[in-house]
Formats: sequence, C-alpha cells, structure tokens
Amino acid sequence: AQSVTQPDIHITVSEGASLELRCNYSYGATPYLFWYVQSPGQGLQLLLKYFSGDTLVQGIKGFEAEFKRSQSSFNLRKPSVHWSDAAEYFCAVGLNSGNTPLVFGKGTRLSVIA
Amino acid sequence: DAGVIQSPRHEVTEMGQEVTLRCKPISGHDYLFWYRQTMMRGLELLIYFNNNVPIDDSGMPEDRFSAKMPNASFSTLKIQPSEPRDSAVYFCASTLDREETQYFGPGTRLLVL
Repeated sequence: AQSVTQPDIHITVSEGASLELRCNYSYGATPYLFWYVQSPGQGLQLLLKYFSGDTLVQGIKGFEAEFKRSQSSFNLRKPSVHWSDAAEYFCAVGLNSGNTPLVFGKGTRLSVIA
Repeated sequence: DAGVIQSPRHEVTEMGQEVTLRCKPISGHDYLFWYRQTMMRGLELLIYFNNNVPIDDSGMPEDRFSAKMPNASFSTLKIQPSEPRDSAVYFCASTLDREETQYFGPGTRLLVL
C-alpha cells in the first residue's frame, strides 16, 4: 500500500531564509506526487505536481520540488520564504493522475518569524 | 468557475443528531472525492465517485456514514447518528478524468458535542 511520510511536524524559519520540507513515499512503481498547501481555515491548494520527465518541478508561489527515485523522496523547497508562506503543507501520492484517491502525509506546519 | 462549493462551512451538533454535508463539484468534472481531516489521522479518503457511481467506499468508517451523488452537480455525505469522534473537517474534491489535479473545496468543519 502507498504511504507518505513527512518527518517534520512543525518548522520555523525566518523571513527571507530558505526552506526545505521533506517528503518520503512508499510505492512500488513511480507514483504521481503532489504538494498541497492549506492556509488556516481554507481548503487545499495545489503547489506543484510530478508525474514524469524532469525531476525538478516548478510550482506556484516560487516553490519547487525535486523527485529522487533512489531516495523515494519529493522534497519541497523555496529559496526565500515570505511571511505569507506560513501554512500547513501536505505531500500526497496517487496511483494515477487526478482521478485516483490521494494518500496524504500528516503535514508540516510552517511558521515564519521576522 | 466558482470552484468546489461545500456547505455548510461550519456545523455544530449534538451527539445522536443527523448531519448532512453537501458538495457541488466544478461543472463538468466527473470524479468526486470525500476526504476527512483529523488531528490524529490526518487527511483520509472516505469515498469517491465516477460519473455519479461510487467506486470505492472502503474509507467510510462505519454504517453511520453514507454518501450519495444523485446527479453530476451534487453530492451529500450523511452521518446518522453522529458521535463526538466524527468531529473533523470534511473536504470534497473534484476532477476530470483527463485532468491531473484534484480541486478541493473549503471544507466543512464539524463539531459533535
């Protein structure tokens, strides 16, 4: 069965600092990988996704993620964090593209300090 | 497009009462998913539909939960009777078969006292 691990429950970074959120997945084949962001009281917004091809994918709001098959990882990065990035971030894996259920990690809560 | 619409946004009820959550998917989408988010278990799939037909309901916790999709533009998730452990945020998401992304609604925050 698929599973997703986000090792960090809570991360605090200073505004302007770089950010890396970790995600490891367990799945036999190459999965479909997603990062979603959830602001307080809001739904989930897709940041980026990986299906195939270039292992470094660019997303919205200046985020990027790199797929590393050898490490079963799909870490999310941002070179310079803004206060508005404070939110909960979820990594998810799917068997197929959008039309199969997603398995989510437990999430990483990001706090940004001045 | 208005996006996925869920109602109500917040629901407070007493144990034993019936609760009905509603979802309107994005027009034209043929897949609809219900997820539940709790502190203990995170985000989990409850059930999903394709062309109004339930495909997988293995995530539905027990018989107290039921979901329907009478037409392409409306789905309900019903809990009867509700229990305090059902307190959670319930999300609805929709997508097209050829799409690569599930679009989530704002969620319904349910509190069962």
